[in-house]
Amino acid sequence: RKEVEQDPGPFNVPEGATVAFNCTYSNSASQSFFWYRQDCRKEPKLLMSVYSSGNEDGRFTAQLNRASQYISLLIRDSKLSDSATYLCVVLTDSWGKLQFGAGTQVVVTP
Amino acid sequence: EAGVAQSPRYKIIEKRQSVAFWCNPISGHATLYWYQQILGQGPKLLIQFQNNGVVDDSQLPKDRFSAERLKGVDSTLKIQPAKLEDSAVYLCASSLTSGGRGDTQYFGPGTRLTVL
Repeated sequence: RKEVEQDPGPFNVPEGATVAFNCTYSNSASQSFFWYRQDCRKEPKLLMSVYSSGNEDGRFTAQLNRASQYISLLIRDSKLSDSATYLCVVLTDSWGKLQFGAGTQVVVTP
Repeated sequence: EAGVAQSPRYKIIEKRQSVAFWCNPISGHATLYWYQQILGQGPKLLIQFQNNGVVDDSQLPKDRFSAERLKGVDSTLKIQPAKLEDSAVYLCASSLTSGGRGDTQYFGPGTRLTVL
């Protein structure tokens, strides 16, 4: 079983719609979680951290469910510029080792 | 503030040849990471340096890959000899301290390696 699993998509989303997707992680001891965004042929960039109580950053909402070991990302009012691959990332040790999922591709269409 | 710099951006070599990549982290960042990203996969950590010491190299194929970070700043990653399966994007990242809970990793643009 992969340490971090994601639905690869693509999720085809009309502009203005809402899209949500999950990722599951295998290590129940993991403490920190993140969503990174990666545009085509570009480097990953931190989108947001995921906190235990869930958190929101503008149109983006992240949730953590420790009992079921999954993290979710919801994008409201999708923009064309939201088209990207969203990488679910788990911090696996105190030295900063990150475990990346393979990513979920989101395509926002006009 | 300048970001993480990497060179070259692209490299094409034949199998069994050697290749080297260079990374210059964000100024003042103590921790440097090298990742391998194969097409369709997420980045996989190859090696992590804290200043000029190795913190984690458990996933580095040491029979062919080597990395160093002399003087705790720039770093080079070398592959010798290259195999077809080494075709990937090699990403360098840096973080201010040890990359713990609140420490963001900043990625460079990567080096796209094609092994023929």
